[in-house]
Amino acid sequence: RKEVEQDPGPFNVPEGATVAFNCTYSNSASQSFFWYRQDCRKEPKLLMSVYSSGNEDGRFTAQLNRASQYISLLIRDSKLSDSATYLCVVSYKYIFGTGTRLKVLA
Amino acid sequence: DVKVTQSSRYLVKRTGEKVFLECVQDMDHENMFWYRQDPGLGLRLIYFSYDVKMKEKGDIPEGYSVSREKKERFSLILESASTNQTSMYLCASSFEVTGELFFGEGSRLTVL
Repeated sequence: RKEVEQDPGPFNVPEGATVAFNCTYSNSASQSFFWYRQDCRKEPKLLMSVYSSGNEDGRFTAQLNRASQYISLLIRDSKLSDSATYLCVVSYKYIFGTGTRLKVLA
Repeated sequence: DVKVTQSSRYLVKRTGEKVFLECVQDMDHENMFWYRQDPGLGLRLIYFSYDVKMKEKGDIPEGYSVSREKKERFSLILESASTNQTSMYLCASSFEVTGELFFGEGSRLTVL
């Protein structure tokens, strides 16, 4: 089993839709979790950290479920500019998932 | 702004050549990382370093070595390049052990 697993997608959603991605991890001792965004042919950039109590940043909500060992990212009111690959990251060695591709359609 | 600079955006090398990929960060970060990114496989950690002259293996260190003689510089070395090392190489740095990673723009290496 991979240490960090994501559905590669692609997720094709219309503008304004709500979409959610999950990411499962295998190491129960993992302490830090992140979501990164990577645009085509660009480097990854931090979207948000994931805190135990869940956290929100505008249209984005991240949650952690330690019992089931997964993190999630919810995007509300999708915009065309949200089209990208979303990577989940689990420390301590910053293990990346393979990424989930999102395409928001006009 | 944090800047992570990778020396070459595109390289073409021949099988058996020695290849150096250089990475420099300007924010006095303790931690530096080398990843490779391949379609369908995502980012895979090759090596990382938490301090000068210190290195730890990541998930795929075979065929690679690293050097960190100065805090701001982390070099990836392919002693004898092979075609299966054709990939996008990404360098990153972070201030805290579990802090935000800042990436360079990447170096696309083609080994013929």
